[in-house]
Amino acid sequence: DQQVKQNSPSLSVQEGRISILNCDYTNSMFDYFLWYKKYPAEGPTFLISISSIKDKNEDGRFTVFLNKSAKHLSLHIVPSQPGDSAVYFCAARTGNQFYFGTGTSLTVIP
Amino acid sequence: DSGVTQTPKHLITATGQRVTLRCSPRSGDLSVYWYQQSLDQGLQFLIQYYNGEERAKGNILERFSAQQFPDLHSELNLSSLELGDSALYFCASSVGLGDTEAFFGQGTRLTVV
Repeated sequence: DQQVKQNSPSLSVQEGRISILNCDYTNSMFDYFLWYKKYPAEGPTFLISISSIKDKNEDGRFTVFLNKSAKHLSLHIVPSQPGDSAVYFCAARTGNQFYFGTGTSLTVIP
Repeated sequence: DSGVTQTPKHLITATGQRVTLRCSPRSGDLSVYWYQQSLDQGLQFLIQYYNGEERAKGNILERFSAQQFPDLHSELNLSSLELGDSALYFCASSVGLGDTEAFFGQGTRLTVV
């Protein structure tokens, strides 16, 4: 029962361009959504979050958009940099539980 | 460095055996979460402890158990191991319950042969 889905296993983007990572969810009880970044041989690192009462949250080059009617969120990275190459996990919270997607591997080409 | 320490980093064991994974949370964090990441799978939430008490349970098998000790470190015990239990096991910690930011350790890679 995958309540959080990332349908694109991988994404390649040119340096300086925009990276858009997508995430869909099924549970309308989720109240917070998060993005984590993971480099090889390391644990995931928190990147940005958004409350279900908002539709946008911005932190530097990273912006998360939430479309509750579509049960969809996206992470925009502008401009993309080679150091952004990593696996990005979308996660959602209900109560004390977090549900993670399967991740999207982003490659930023110099 | 997230401040969360997991040991061991790698573990190879045979089917039917029992192993214990250890997690030391960040200083001051009361919540500990355990996650399993199998091949091509997302992070599957297993269990959460807060200040020594179990607070949330996910898809954790009955063969698995966990506890959080008075010094707040946590152990995940996996018994009667099967080949399918081979995975990365992550521990994460946060200050409180359901914090939107948790800090992850580097994980323990378990291989069951």
